[in-house]
This record gives sequence, C-alpha cells and structure tokens, in this order.
Amino acid sequence: ILNVEQSPQSLHVQEGDSTNFTCSFPSSNFYALHWYRWETAKSPEALFVMTLNGDEKKKGRISATLNTKEGYSYLYIKGSQPEDSATYLCAFFYNQGGKLIFGQGTELSVKP
Amino acid sequence: DGGITQSPKYLFRKEGQNVTLSCEQNLNHDAMYWYRQDPGQGLRLIYYSQIVNDFQKGDIAEGYSVSREKKESFPLTVTSAQKNPTAFYLCASSETLDPYGYTFGSGTRLTVV
Repeated sequence: ILNVEQSPQSLHVQEGDSTNFTCSFPSSNFYALHWYRWETAKSPEALFVMTLNGDEKKKGRISATLNTKEGYSYLYIKGSQPEDSATYLCAFFYNQGGKLIFGQGTELSVKP
Repeated sequence: DGGITQSPKYLFRKEGQNVTLSCEQNLNHDAMYWYRQDPGQGLRLIYYSQIVNDFQKGDIAEGYSVSREKKESFPLTVTSAQKNPTAFYLCASSETLDPYGYTFGSGTRLTVV
C-alpha cells in the first residue's frame, strides 16, 4: 500500500510568521509530486507539480522543494497572511496506474 | 469558462436508498476521478476512468458504482451496500495519465440519515 504522510496535521500561526510543512512519500516508482491548496467551500487548486529531484518551485510567497531519493517535499510560506489559511494537500503520482495518492493534508490557520 | 461541475452541493438520503452524484466537465479531459474525504483523512480514490466506456476501481470501491458513457460525464452511485456513505465526495479530471495536475469540482456533501 502506497502511503503519503503530511505533517503537521494542523498549524496555527500569526500574520507575518513564516512556516513550512512536510510531505513524505514512497521513493520508488516516483513520477510526480503535487501540492494543492484547498480553501473552505472551494475546489482544491493546484500550486505546484514537481517531477525532478532537487526541484524548487516558487509562486509568490509560497515555495516548494523536492527530494525524490529520500521521499520528501517541503512547502514554505514566507510572511503568512490570513488569506493563506487553507488546507494544503500533497499528492504522489506514481507511474503504475496513473493516479494520485493524497496525504491527509495540513490545515493552516493564520491569525491577523 | 472550462471547469468541473458537481451537483448537488448538499444531498440528504435515507439509509438503504441508492443515490447518484453528478460530475460534468467541459475541459475535454480524458481521465476522471472520484475521491471521498472523511474528517482527519486524506482524499481516498473510489473509482477512476481514463477513457470513455472504461473505468477502474480505486482503493475504496466497495459499495459504489460508476459509468462513463460520455467523455464529459462520470456519475457516481452510492449504493445501499456502502456501509458508511456519509462523507464529502470530490470529482476531478485530467489529461490521460497526465502527472501535471488535476482540476477539481467543488464537491458534494452526502448525508445519509
């Protein structure tokens, strides 16, 4: 059974704090690692799709790194804002079956 | 605008009744997926389809059925055999075997009373 683990499960920070989350995934049969942001009452929105070991991607104040050999990815948010409050999902796409396996998510709450 | 439409947003059913959740996309995507979310758990794959008239079981297919008669439509039926049907259901689509990102609907919350 393929397992994707995210930590922490939830995080409460003050506006302006920087924060990071971890996603652990199987290091074999790797094809891609996705990060999604899911705000309450909305659809999950793709943040990053990472495919190469050592990949670093950035979108505004959010960035992500990837280590496929050891099976982890970090998502960083610099200077958190209340609008960053959401659940952040990572998902592992493995090359047998063509489907995504999701972690349980990290719920971020940013207080003004 | 292209996207995925799930309807209804909220659905209530009596125990023992089958219920069908709708998922329609106008993105011309080949692949479509159904996920279920329960509190404290990640999205779990119920069924997926990579092409019209073909679909595969995901990790938790028992008690569910699907059809893929048209490219744009992938309805999910929650049957009375599903022991714990109350959950949030999310539909997604992508290019076939495309690792480069899914598009999601906004979900249907099913409550069985």
